[in-house]
Amino acid sequence: LAKTTQPISMDSYEGQEVNITCSHNNIATNDYITWYQQFPSQGPRFIIQGYKTKVTNEVASLFIPADRKSSTLSLPRVSLSDTAVYYCLVGAGSYQLTFGKGTKLSVIP
Amino acid sequence: NAGVTQTPKFQVLKTGQSMTLQCAQDMNHEYMSWYRQDPGMGLRLIHYSVGAGITDQGEVPNGYNVSRSTTEDFPLRLLSAAPSQTSVYFCASSSGTGFYGYTFGSGTRLTVV
Repeated sequence: LAKTTQPISMDSYEGQEVNITCSHNNIATNDYITWYQQFPSQGPRFIIQGYKTKVTNEVASLFIPADRKSSTLSLPRVSLSDTAVYYCLVGAGSYQLTFGKGTKLSVIP
Repeated sequence: NAGVTQTPKFQVLKTGQSMTLQCAQDMNHEYMSWYRQDPGMGLRLIHYSVGAGITDQGEVPNGYNVSRSTTEDFPLRLLSAAPSQTSVYFCASSSGTGFYGYTFGSGTRLTVV
């Protein structure tokens, strides 16, 4: 499974757009990139998944450059309720999700 | 539709005691997994199952047993609890391989004294 690197923590003010970048230099051809969100005392929740270019849903956007060695999760106009840990996962067809330490996002009023 | 249900939510055990953490899903998912999460850490896979009657070990299986007699249930058994097993345990299920669509339960917080 590809190793991922993401910032340990980030702070943002309410209403700002937040971009969290994940590096995955050894991503394989058939790997997908997936982001999960975890609130305190809850299990992780699937946010978004992509293979290349850009994916957008009602929660976030995922930008993946052509070389796919990194990806950026974009959260538009964050609110206090977006305070959580965000995990970047890379892989394909595996039963074993590999979670790193994630990025702890703190939204400041 | 309850999703993934874990019981109990909290548990305190004495060293050497055994117990079973329950996990049930009502989404007819084939794949189920158990993870543990220690403070400030990501989740680590304990055991997983790709269908009824089929289980396999994950990254940290020692001290834990699982079985999958039905599609819906995937209990995790602690054979002889140790303080190192103090953690939050999450059960997850998915309808297919890969990362898409994994649904996690709300967790069981276990303390071993």
